[in-house]
Amino acid sequence: DQQVKQNSPSLSVQEGRISILNCDYTNSMFDYFLWYKKYPAEGPTFLISISSIKDKNEDGRFTVFLNKSAKHLSLHIVPSQPGDSAVYFCASFYNQGGKLIFGQGTELSVKP
Amino acid sequence: DGGITQSPKYLFRKEGQNVTLSCEQNLNHDAMYWYRQDPGQGLRLIYYSQIVNDFQKGDIAEGYSVSREKKESFPLTVTSAQKNPTAFYLCASSIRLAHNSPLHFGNGTRLTVT
Repeated sequence: DQQVKQNSPSLSVQEGRISILNCDYTNSMFDYFLWYKKYPAEGPTFLISISSIKDKNEDGRFTVFLNKSAKHLSLHIVPSQPGDSAVYFCASFYNQGGKLIFGQGTELSVKP
Repeated sequence: DGGITQSPKYLFRKEGQNVTLSCEQNLNHDAMYWYRQDPGQGLRLIYYSQIVNDFQKGDIAEGYSVSREKKESFPLTVTSAQKNPTAFYLCASSIRLAHNSPLHFGNGTRLTVT
């Protein structure tokens, strides 16, 4: 049972435009959400996070939005750059379970 | 430089053999984790450890074993009981087991069993 879902396996965006990556979750007990970025043959690196008490968190070109009623979060990258091309994983933390659950990942390709 | 070292990068084994993947960290982190990545399935948690001499099963622990005898080291053994061992294995650590303690990942070991 996939508790964290990224339904788009891939996304292609033109350089300079906005990239929007989406993530849905099923467990209303999740209270913290994170985005990780992964280049081929490397481990994921932490990008940005948001607590369930907020609905938006911004860090430079990256903004994460959380809609708790819809159990949906999204990552916006503006403006997109070719170096942003990578696989992006969203992850949810269940405080009671004490572990991070990852989505399947979305491969972003930013074309010059 | 502080970080997580996984070795080797590529590993090949015959079916029926046990194999141990190495993970070492010099970040002084208490918590360590093993994830497995398969195409289209994201990262799935195999085992995790909050502290030395303690570890817990993750979502897909069957066919795997771990030990945490030292803070810096969290080796993963893939046993012959693991039905589909070919995968990309990622080790991670965090300051502690908590939501606001992001994971730091190694660069992974790709295991191929034939």
